[in-house]
Amino acid sequence: RKEVEQDPGPFNVPEGATVAFNCTYSNSASQSFFWYRQDCRKEPKLLMSVYSSGNEDGRFTAQLNRASQYISLLIRDSKLSDSATYLCVVNNPGAGSYQLTFGKGTKLSVIP
Amino acid sequence: GAGVSQSPSNKVTEKGKDVELRCDPISGHTALYWYRQRLGQGLEFLIYFQGNSAPDKSGLPSDRFSAERTGESVSTLTIQRTQQEDSAVYLCASSWGGNNEKLFFGSGTQLSVL
Repeated sequence: RKEVEQDPGPFNVPEGATVAFNCTYSNSASQSFFWYRQDCRKEPKLLMSVYSSGNEDGRFTAQLNRASQYISLLIRDSKLSDSATYLCVVNNPGAGSYQLTFGKGTKLSVIP
Repeated sequence: GAGVSQSPSNKVTEKGKDVELRCDPISGHTALYWYRQRLGQGLEFLIYFQGNSAPDKSGLPSDRFSAERTGESVSTLTIQRTQQEDSAVYLCASSWGGNNEKLFFGSGTQLSVL
């Protein structure tokens, strides 16, 4: 089982739609979870951290299910500018390292 | 500087040559990461530095790859005897070093091995 798995997509949705991405992780000892966004040929940038209680930032909502070891990202009222690849990121604790493992990403295209 | 700086931005080399990639992290950031991203693929962890602790080298794909960091400043990633499969974007990121800290990425070095 891969450490961090995501549906690669692409997800093609119309403007205004709601879209959800899921991500599963294999290390039950992981404690830190994030969603990053990567635009084409650009470096990744933090979108939001994911907290146990779930958290919301404007149109974006992230949730964590520790029992099932998955993380979700919900985008409401999609904008054209939301088109990007969304990367799920999880820390892999061990040997004192704070290694962060990235999923391969889910590609989103928002269509006019 | 204001952000993470990587150089060169592009590097074309011949198979078998050595290359050195440089990363200048944000001043004060104690943690520094190197990742590799092949075309159309995800980020592959290579190495992690945290302060003066021993680096986590568990992601280095072979002994041709090595990295150094001087204190909490510049890091260099060296690839010896480059192979065509080493062609990728090499991304460096830094953070304040605590848990849940945001990673700030450089714009990467595009390495092409002919």
